[in-house]
Order: sequence, then structure tokens, then C-alpha cells
Amino acid sequence: NAGVTQTPKFQVLKTGQSMTLQCAQDMNHNSMYWYRQDPGMGLRLIYYSASEGTTDKGEVPNGYNVSRLNKREFSLRLESAAPSQTSVYFCASSERGGASNQPQHFGDGTRLSIL
Amino acid sequence: QKEVEQDPGPLSVPEGAIVSLNCTYSNSAFQYFMWYRQYSRKGPELLMYTYSSGNKEDGRFTAQVDKSSKYISLFIRDSQPSDSATYLCAMNAGGFKTIFGAGTRLFVKA
Repeated sequence: NAGVTQTPKFQVLKTGQSMTLQCAQDMNHNSMYWYRQDPGMGLRLIYYSASEGTTDKGEVPNGYNVSRLNKREFSLRLESAAPSQTSVYFCASSERGGASNQPQHFGDGTRLSIL
Repeated sequence: QKEVEQDPGPLSVPEGAIVSLNCTYSNSAFQYFMWYRQYSRKGPELLMYTYSSGNKEDGRFTAQVDKSSKYISLFIRDSQPSDSATYLCAMNAGGFKTIFGAGTRLFVKA
């Protein structure tokens, strides 16, 4: 069982380039999430998808777009990358959302550097 | 001021020690309290999940929530080198948005 799979694992971009981070889960979960993790800041929610066909903004959505392609896949797009978006990006999923949105199952992250 | 405050450490203890990890928070609407463990270069994994105040025990791990003081703790008994990781507290008011602490790095020396 793969759980949550993120691709790529590492990426270096130049300022202004665009990129899509891919995430897929094989647990038949309804809800999916994108977080960024920065030193001293903890995990911060970028966007989430409560269920297939819906997406909503989290704490730090500026500069990002998302697509819930189907129940399994949830992608994160940087249209014009900026150095401030250098971070480790984690995708997560949970069986349900709302009050019972735990446990969230996380992928192993995408390490993104923007020069 | 952050909604959730957590001492980043690092915290270094000898094998077999009792470890105490703590978080404070400011939002009284938080009802769900979690502890995640994160190994280097890996995603977080859920360790403990509690609702409202009180204690919860699971093996060597005990989670405590004191809502009156807005303070949560994780205790690890008989700590092992395999417990060396970053521990993240997390809190949720009942919606989709979970707020994470910055994490405490723990080193358990053999």
C-alpha cells in the first residue's frame, strides 16, 4: 500500500517559472490537503479539497492554484514561482473532513527551491 | 502572536528517560488536539488524538490536554533512540483547518 505519493521529490526552479506538484492517494479518502513547511513556521495549509469536485483556500493560498482531478489526485500549481515559495510541500489525505479530519495521512514531501 | 506556540528545542535525553513535550495555544475554540511525529525527510504521522480536556494513554505515550490553561503535553516513557524525531502538536476547532506547531526536535542518546 503506497498511501500518499508525491512527485517530484526534489525540484529547482528559476524565478518566474511554473510548475505543478502531483499528489495521489490510494486509500479512497474523501478529503485532501496541501501544506507547506518552513523552518520555525510549522505546517501551514495552502488549499484543501473537502471532497471530489470542491476546493477551498487555506491559510496561505496566494501564488498557488489547485485541481482536484478525481477522488485520488490533487495537484498544486505555482504559476510564476517566487523565492518566497522555496519550501517543503506536503500533500495529505483524510477519510473524512471537518471535525473528524484526523488522522491525516501525509506523503513524504516535495522539496522545492526557487532561485 | 502565533495561535500555537511550541519550543523548537532541540531536546536531548538519555535512553530510558521520560520526555515531556508541550504546546500552548491562544484560540479557545480548539477542541481536537493531536500529536504528530516526523522523522527526517519524511511526512508527519499521527501519534495521539484527543478530544477536549483530559488524558489519553497509548503504550509509552500519554497525551494531556488542559483547556483551562490552553496547554497540551505529550509524555514519552522509557524513551528509545527510535523516538528521535520532530514532534508536532496540532489543533482543530472542528473544521478542515488544522493548525500545527513548529515542532520540537528530540534526540534520544543510546
